[in-house]
Amino acid sequence: SQELEQSPQSLIVQEGKNLTINCTSSKTLYGLYWYKQKYGEGLIFLMMLQKGGEEKSHEKITAKLDEKKQQSSLHITASQPSHVGIYLCGADLGNQFYFGTGTSLTVIP
Amino acid sequence: DTGVSQDPRHKITKRGQNVTFRCDPISEHNRLYWYRQTLGQGPEFLTYFQNEAQLEKSRLLSDRFSAERPKGSFSTLEIQRTEQGDSAMYLCASSFGQGEGNEQFFGPGTRLTVL
Repeated sequence: SQELEQSPQSLIVQEGKNLTINCTSSKTLYGLYWYKQKYGEGLIFLMMLQKGGEEKSHEKITAKLDEKKQQSSLHITASQPSHVGIYLCGADLGNQFYFGTGTSLTVIP
Repeated sequence: DTGVSQDPRHKITKRGQNVTFRCDPISEHNRLYWYRQTLGQGPEFLTYFQNEAQLEKSRLLSDRFSAERPKGSFSTLEIQRTEQGDSAMYLCASSFGQGEGNEQFFGPGTRLTVL
């Protein structure tokens, strides 16, 4: 069973367009993390959210955690080729750490 | 470079051989994690250490897998009698924390291919 559901699985957008990636859990999340991964490489930390309703932004990326702490979204404004990669949400669920299956983002110039 | 390092970066082995991977975490980090990632999937948790104590092991970690962190610093992950299904990227991460909610820093991974 998949502890964290991510959608969509892949996205192809025109450069300059906005996009949103969602991450949903059936359990309350004690910490929700967003990472970016380029093919064949390790994960790069983007943001961490802990409180219900929390929202954080870094450059053109904004992440939100809903009040119930079961759903998070990652929004990219005015996408650029540098945003290309796989976006993964991860969460502490008890003593184990789970990741979603990832969303592959392609940005067309 | 003070990030998480992993060695080797790539390993090709024949089925039935044993392999060992090493992870050097960020020096002040007390927690160390191992994950396995296959193509098109997110990383799957394998095990985690707080200092030298192995606190959690996934059911994915069969008897052929063993991990150690003898002095609470670097860690090794050994796979005995490798199978083709073990082919994957093995990722190590470290963090500093005493409770929940701590950011994990990842190494570049070791890509294992079992022929």
